[in-house]
Amino acid sequence: NAGVTQTPKFQVLKTGQSMTLQCAQDMNHEYMSWYRQDPGMGLRLIHYSVGAGITDQGEVPNGYNVSRSTTEDFPLRLLSAAPSQTSVYFCASRKLAGGPSEQYFGPGTRLTVT
Amino acid sequence: EDQVTQSPEALRLQEGESSSLNCSYTVSGLRGLFWYRQDPGKGPEFLFTLYSAGEEKEKERLKATLTKKESFLHITAPKPEDSATYLCAVQGETSGSRLTFGEGTQLTVNP
Repeated sequence: NAGVTQTPKFQVLKTGQSMTLQCAQDMNHEYMSWYRQDPGMGLRLIHYSVGAGITDQGEVPNGYNVSRSTTEDFPLRLLSAAPSQTSVYFCASRKLAGGPSEQYFGPGTRLTVT
Repeated sequence: EDQVTQSPEALRLQEGESSSLNCSYTVSGLRGLFWYRQDPGKGPEFLFTLYSAGEEKEKERLKATLTKKESFLHITAPKPEDSATYLCAVQGETSGSRLTFGEGTQLTVNP
C-alpha cells in the first residue's frame, strides 16, 4: 500500500492564482481530511469528508473548496490564493467502522503565496 | 468544544535522561486520545491510541498513559533518534469523526 499520497510537494503561487492540491489514499478509508500547519498554531482542520459525495467544513474553511467524488481522492482547491494561505498542508485518512481509529497522514505540500 | 494543551512547548534532554511530555484535554466524552510523532518536513506518524482512564501503551522507549484530564508520554533513556515533535489529539463524543490537535512538544535529545 502507498498509504496517503499528496502532490505537489512544493508550490509557489502568486496572489490571486488558483490551484488544486491532490490527495489520494489506497486503504479504502471512509474519512479524509485536510489540515494546515503553521508555526505556533498546530494542525488546524480545513475540510473533511466521511464518504464519497459528503463533505463538511472544519475550523478554517474560508478560501478553500473540496469535493469527494470517489473514496480514494480528496482534492483541495484554493480559489484565489492569498499570502495568508502560505502554509504546509497535510491530507489524512482513517477508517470509520469499528470505533476511533488512527489517522494516517500524507507527506505534506509546502505552499508559498507571494 | 474540544481543547488540547501540550506542555512543555520544547524540551531538551541529554541522551539517557528520562522525562515526560504532558497533554491536558477538555472534551465532552472522550472517544480516543492519540499520540503522533512528527519529524521535520514530514507528516505526523501514528504512535498510540488510548481509550479510557488507566490505560497504558508502550513502544520501545515510549509509554503513554491516560487519566480523565491528561495524558503523559514517558520517554525512558531517550536516544538522539527520538528527537521530533510529539503531537497529541483527541476525538470527543460531540465532534463526530474530527480530531482536535495540540500544538505539540518539540523534543531534542543531545548525544
